[in-house]
Amino acid sequence: EVQLVESGGGLVKPGGSLRLSCAASGFTFSNFDLNWVRQAPGKGLEWVSYISSSTYHKYYADSVKGRFTISRDNAKNSLYLQMNSLRAEDTAVYYCARDWRFCDNGVCGLHFDYWGQGTLVTVSS
Amino acid sequence: DIQMTQSPSSLSASVGDRVTITCRASQSISTYLNWYQQKSGKAPNLLIYAASTLQSGVPSRFSGSGSGTDFTLTITNLQPEDFATYYCQQTYSSLERTFGQGTKLEIK
Repeated sequence: EVQLVESGGGLVKPGGSLRLSCAASGFTFSNFDLNWVRQAPGKGLEWVSYISSSTYHKYYADSVKGRFTISRDNAKNSLYLQMNSLRAEDTAVYYCARDWRFCDNGVCGLHFDYWGQGTLVTVSS
Repeated sequence: DIQMTQSPSSLSASVGDRVTITCRASQSISTYLNWYQQKSGKAPNLLIYAASTLQSGVPSRFSGSGSGTDFTLTITNLQPEDFATYYCQQTYSSLERTFGQGTKLEIK
């Protein structure tokens, strides 16, 4: 059974740092690209960051570029998000999500097929 | 950047109704469009991928259509468990996987 389990959330002061982890199991971790998605309280989903299976490609939303760093350890089946210079607007539940790419009968696509349960980050003084 | 605009932002309907949610992309995204359902306090759940393909295990009352910039999610014969928030997502751009702002479906 595929499982993604986030951890590391908590209360942090503005300007502080936090490192989130996502522990994966039930699939060959090194074969899959992964993402972080967040959801502020009462708000919609916001894609935050992407990392390719090899770690060669990393992309970020403009709202976190230069402050957040995505990484992974394929030997430990773990995904990370290092969050620095945190702001009140970074307060959210953070989810990790797995990419699923396919091509079938000439139709190609990509979607998030598995998600973790989320970890809450609160930035407040 | 590709912007995704959903409408309406909220919708009231009754059990047994048919509802349609639309999603418009700021540029053509072919059929790189997915729909997710999210219930309160839970992670999103994939309903439709590649604009019109039903994810395994999702009831056939859910359907999706569209290509290019305009897409729709249709739910027929609404059931009590369908009242939730729905999000579209584009995955055409390699650099970003943008979500729409969401549509909250409420019981009338």
